[in-house]
Amino acid sequence: AQSVSQHNHHVILSEAASLELGCNYSYGGTVNLFWYVQYPGQHLQLLLKYFSGDPLVKGIKGFEAEFIKSKFSFNLRKPSVQWSDTAEYFCAVLSYNTDKLIFGTGTRLQVFP
Amino acid sequence: GAVVSQHPSWVICKSGTSVKIECRSLDFQATTMFWYRQFPKQSLMLMATSNEGSKATYEQGVEKDKFLINHASLTLSTLTVTSAHPEDSSFYICSASLEGNTEAFFGQGTRLTVV
Repeated sequence: AQSVSQHNHHVILSEAASLELGCNYSYGGTVNLFWYVQYPGQHLQLLLKYFSGDPLVKGIKGFEAEFIKSKFSFNLRKPSVQWSDTAEYFCAVLSYNTDKLIFGTGTRLQVFP
Repeated sequence: GAVVSQHPSWVICKSGTSVKIECRSLDFQATTMFWYRQFPKQSLMLMATSNEGSKATYEQGVEKDKFLINHASLTLSTLTVTSAHPEDSSFYICSASLEGNTEAFFGQGTRLTVV
């Protein structure tokens, strides 16, 4: 069965620290990959996406992610986090075979000033 | 980006009653809409895929007679929780995609509380 796993459930950082959130998926075939963010009390927003081409994709607010096909991974990074990055982050995978968008378990990020 | 509107944002209902949640794509036509359920501090669980003009496809373990989905037009899908019980209390989120394998746009979610 297709699945998406996020290794970090809860991450606590100080401002200016670097961030890396792991995401692995188990699919064969072609996929599209996404990172969504959910700020407290708000709905999901797209941070970045990968469809094809350069495996290093840049998103909004200084986030980037790297697709490593051989590792089935799509890790999210930010060199220097801010207090306003406090939110829940979800990795999601859309399989061309099933046409379903499946989410990882989410990572709660808390950034302290 | 495209806008998906969900209504209501929150609802409280008595056990045994039914509740309808609407999901609208405001500025685009969505041939496919998805319904998710999010438990507190957990991820989004896909409940069903809704295709305009045809029956919804439910994920394993989701009762289709309890969670009725109708996708009557290219801009509207509805989820009806029938004979709701307290264990149905949750956050329900819909999303819609443009044609093809593109990003999904999410509604703001509906918090259902069954008392």
